[in-house]
Amino acid sequence: SAVISQKPSRDICQRGTSLTIQCQVDSQVTMMFWYRQQPGQSLTLIATANQGSEATYESGFVIDKFPISRPNLTFSTLTVSNMSPEDSSIYLCSVGTGTYEQYFGPGTRLTVT
Amino acid sequence: SQELEQSPQSLIVQEGKNLTINCTSSKTLYGLYWYKQKYGEGLIFLMMLQKGGEEKSHEKITAKLDEKKQQSSLHITASQPSHAGIYLCGAALKTSYDKVIFGPGTSLSVIP
Repeated sequence: SAVISQKPSRDICQRGTSLTIQCQVDSQVTMMFWYRQQPGQSLTLIATANQGSEATYESGFVIDKFPISRPNLTFSTLTVSNMSPEDSSIYLCSVGTGTYEQYFGPGTRLTVT
Repeated sequence: SQELEQSPQSLIVQEGKNLTINCTSSKTLYGLYWYKQKYGEGLIFLMMLQKGGEEKSHEKITAKLDEKKQQSSLHITASQPSHAGIYLCGAALKTSYDKVIFGPGTSLSVIP
């Protein structure tokens, strides 16, 4: 398994601002992912964070809105840019292990006013 | 339409009763994940199934993947209030496991 922490755990932000969410894993992992969970909804994959190269984004998500960094095998950040109330969600980091199990962080609850 | 469906959408059971949650895919799966989520919290990994016909158990929870690898069931025996939460199935649609999609979830309430 893997122990994953996220910062911040929650935040309330104003429209038009940006927030950077950090994800830290206690061991080196090959795969790291970012998901969004809108209120009352299931999870939607935003992108795969690739170490040393640009993230791979899913349909409907773009780098200008959700820039992602992954400087090493234990850390990644997701920025939610130019926020609007529609960005209010829980943002979750997850990691894939060598045996393809996938573990999730505790999430960051974002409210945009 | 949803690529991954779950049934039922919600479930209320008396403590001690058994229950089953189903997850169905329109495509062949390379891996099937089951998670539990408490309201507003992260996902707790329960188990992952990869092989057709595979069955795994953890405490009172058993999950099976059918031979065609398109349907999975999660069975809870002698449910307890601690089992309450939202159960989500996730499916790996690629051999690289780098894209996992999730079902809509099943909300479980257990009445003492």
